[in-house]
Amino acid sequence: DAGITQSPRYKITETGRQVTLMCHQTWSHSYMFWYRQDLGHGLRLIYYSAAADITDKGEVPDGYVVSRSKTENFPLTLESATRSQTSVYFCASRQGSGELFFGEGSRLTVL
Amino acid sequence: RKEVEQDPGPFNVPEGATVAFNCTYSNSASQSFFWYRQDCRKEPKLLMSVYSSGNEDGRFTAQLNRASQYISLLIRDSKLSDSATYLCVVNRYNNNDMRFGAGTRLTVKP
Repeated sequence: DAGITQSPRYKITETGRQVTLMCHQTWSHSYMFWYRQDLGHGLRLIYYSAAADITDKGEVPDGYVVSRSKTENFPLTLESATRSQTSVYFCASRQGSGELFFGEGSRLTVL
Repeated sequence: RKEVEQDPGPFNVPEGATVAFNCTYSNSASQSFFWYRQDCRKEPKLLMSVYSSGNEDGRFTAQLNRASQYISLLIRDSKLSDSATYLCVVNRYNNNDMRFGAGTRLTVKP
């Protein structure tokens, strides 16, 4: 019962580098989401996807790119990382209007 | 002003105490509401949904007041294991846009 997994769990990178965070779910859930969590802000939605090849912007999409060529994968790419993107990133999935299931998070530090 | 606001706490209570959290939301078109629990350095997990008529799950009671646009969570007979951050979540008019509060931190002490 793998559920939803994220990789890497921890990443340190430098300003200007490209970083990709991976998310994989085994439930065949239609919806997948990327959130970032920062102190004092709670979780903020970056991008979401309703199905393969369908993605849409959330609350804070600038500086991020997503794709969803397969139902089970939803990678998040920071094309040119900035210090303000230092955060904890959570991937989540849900089926219809059901419960949101989160991955364990990816802690990203941009130096 | 944030769309979903919570008192960040921390709330420090003794075992056995009753504690209540409130959450206010600004978007009157919001359709569904939830409480999630997040342990330190872990992912959030659903605690309970919040229904218009109010609902109870063991020691936990959730209520919704649409007129005043707030949600509450009551925890009775607090346990040490209830120590966590409680996140208020509001689902906007479409199912894909769930807005989270910043969370209320609870510490239950022996």
